[in-house]
Amino acid sequence: DAGVTQSPTHLIKTRGQQVTLRCSPKSGHDTVSWYQQALGQGPQFIFQYYEEEERQRGNFPDRFSGHQFPNYSSELNVNALLLGDSALYLCASSALTGGLTGELFFGEGSRLTVL
Amino acid sequence: KQEVTQIPAALSVPEGENLVLNCSFTDSAIYNLQWFRQDPGKGLTSLLLIQSSQREQTSGRLNASLDKSSGRSTLYIAASQPGDSATYLCAVKRAGSARQLTFGSGTQLTVLP
Repeated sequence: DAGVTQSPTHLIKTRGQQVTLRCSPKSGHDTVSWYQQALGQGPQFIFQYYEEEERQRGNFPDRFSGHQFPNYSSELNVNALLLGDSALYLCASSALTGGLTGELFFGEGSRLTVL
Repeated sequence: KQEVTQIPAALSVPEGENLVLNCSFTDSAIYNLQWFRQDPGKGLTSLLLIQSSQREQTSGRLNASLDKSSGRSTLYIAASQPGDSATYLCAVKRAGSARQLTFGSGTQLTVLP
């Protein structure tokens, strides 16, 4: 049973560029959340997708956007990259049938470096 | 706003010791609390999930407790091993904002052989 998979694992961009990160949820999961983790910090919630719609958003600017596909996979897009966007981006999946108390499972992350 | 604090930020112990990691949160209205392990540069591995109605959960050498009224959780690791070296993160799912986890900054644990 494949867990949460993310791609790419590492990427380097320059300021002002745009980036797309991808996530496939754990089998049987229908809800995908994205988190940003700066070095030495805990992850910060970006947003969550369910039924192809953004359901909740954290304190992130509109430069951060996402999408969920009918197969439950998801993309995170970041436009106009800033140096401060350098971080590990983590995808987490859960099953809505697990209710609001359901457990989250995380992928290995995508390490973004902005030069 | 929910805030999660983990103390200490770093901990170094000799192999074989029993140890306790602490997590505190400011808003006791939570659905659950989850403990994670993170190896350097890697993703998060879920260790234990405690629902708000539970007092503790156990998995192998790990035991997590939850005191919701005081806003505290502890992760107890028995007979520590060098392979336990990692950063341990706790996260709460707050009632009213149940779609997101709020994380602490973690405790970096080093178990010396």
